[in-house]
Amino acid sequence: GAVVSQHPSRVICKSGTSVKIECRSLDFQATTMFWYRQFPKQSLMLMATSNEGSKATYEQGVEKDKFLINHASLTLSTLTVTSAHPEDSSFYICSALGTMNTEAFFGQGTRLTVV
Amino acid sequence: LAKTTQPISMDSYEGQEVNITCSHNNIATNDYITWYQQFPSQGPRFIIQGYKTKVTNEVASLFIPADRKSSTLSLPRVSLSDTAVYYCLVAPNSGYSTLTFGKGTMLLVSP
Repeated sequence: GAVVSQHPSRVICKSGTSVKIECRSLDFQATTMFWYRQFPKQSLMLMATSNEGSKATYEQGVEKDKFLINHASLTLSTLTVTSAHPEDSSFYICSALGTMNTEAFFGQGTRLTVV
Repeated sequence: LAKTTQPISMDSYEGQEVNITCSHNNIATNDYITWYQQFPSQGPRFIIQGYKTKVTNEVASLFIPADRKSSTLSLPRVSLSDTAVYYCLVAPNSGYSTLTFGKGTMLLVSP
């Protein structure tokens, strides 16, 4: 199946700094990508939907100025957590829609720890 | 998007068949049903997708009744490595505008 690569898989940063997470579709073009965060023992919570070449659509309650999403090409979307705080520590997962838009492929996730 | 309801958890033993049912009463005509599996600290992995009746692949079967208001994921002869969270998603077959997860079912397989 199609492959989505997410990088880094794990990152520790200091409070107040910014962290960028990359999501790449390796063997297909993804017009649409989704970003999720997941807390322990909970389901994935959709943060935003990212469409190539346009502004991301954020879910209610997600601060767009804090979670910057850029989808500049058909194979790359990035999520930047700005001025990170300990409460931003979570597991972040990206997903990309395949060519037929009937199946979503997921990255391996990024464990963010803010200290 | 159609809301889904699944059991929070299920227990099974190695070698047994496991059936996880998902309710999606307000599924739309052009919605497909997709099941994902997630292990701790990993992204979800696609298991199977279907629209109606029965779909089978090398890892699972998906049963969808005629009214499509529910679906059942069937895992034959589970092993310890099938312990995971299973999510049922319902979304249109093209042009997803959003992809929202329900709570999922935590399957625990014991020896």
